Amino acid sequence: QQQVKQSPQSLIVQKGGISIINCAYENTAFDYFPWYQQFPGKGPALLIAIRPDVSEKKEGRFTISFNKSAKQFSLHIMDSQPGDSATYFCAASLDNQGGKLIFGQGTELSVKP
Amino acid sequence: EAQVTQNPRYLITVTGKKLTVTCSQNMNHEYMSWYRQDPGLGLRQIYYSMNVEVTDKGDVPEGYKVSRKEKRNFPLILESPSPNQTSLYFCASRQDTGELFFGEGSRLTVL
Repeated sequence: QQQVKQSPQSLIVQKGGISIINCAYENTAFDYFPWYQQFPGKGPALLIAIRPDVSEKKEGRFTISFNKSAKQFSLHIMDSQPGDSATYFCAASLDNQGGKLIFGQGTELSVKP
Repeated sequence: EAQVTQNPRYLITVTGKKLTVTCSQNMNHEYMSWYRQDPGLGLRQIYYSMNVEVTDKGDVPEGYKVSRKEKRNFPLILESPSPNQTSLYFCASRQDTGELFFGEGSRLTVL
């Protein structure tokens, strides 16, 4: 019930291509869905986040698509660049549990020049 | 500069030798938390603290202790480390928007 399942585990994309990472959740009460980006040797940092009252949120080349009925959300990285190579984590939380974030398993993205 | 500072960044120890990983934040955040990161398992919460003297278990608390005597500090204590606690550990604090700020991580190896 509290799980967030993320796929794929790893992804290789050519420069300029679109990177897509998917997450699925079970608990319909989740109301906050952030994505975190982690570079090697660093801690994760918030990239973009969405709440379930909207179906899409875009910030620059990064877009979250949210499908409430399917209990799925995804991160799209347009015009992927080598500098986007990192590990990406999706997460979900319940505000009534003090905002505890449940993280997905992570996706290691490599963008080839 | 707003930051979460963890020490040590790297540590190799032996089974049973008590160790403490320190964590300090300078953002006056009330909420702090510890996570461990393992390949294929993502980030799993060990313990969290809603404020000074208020701590609670996360999803994987076995073998760990924490304390929160001051708002800025949240140390993680391994009383008797075992090899299955070999992992990458992250401390984080949270601002009111829900955004977590992570430290740079502490890589622990228990032989």
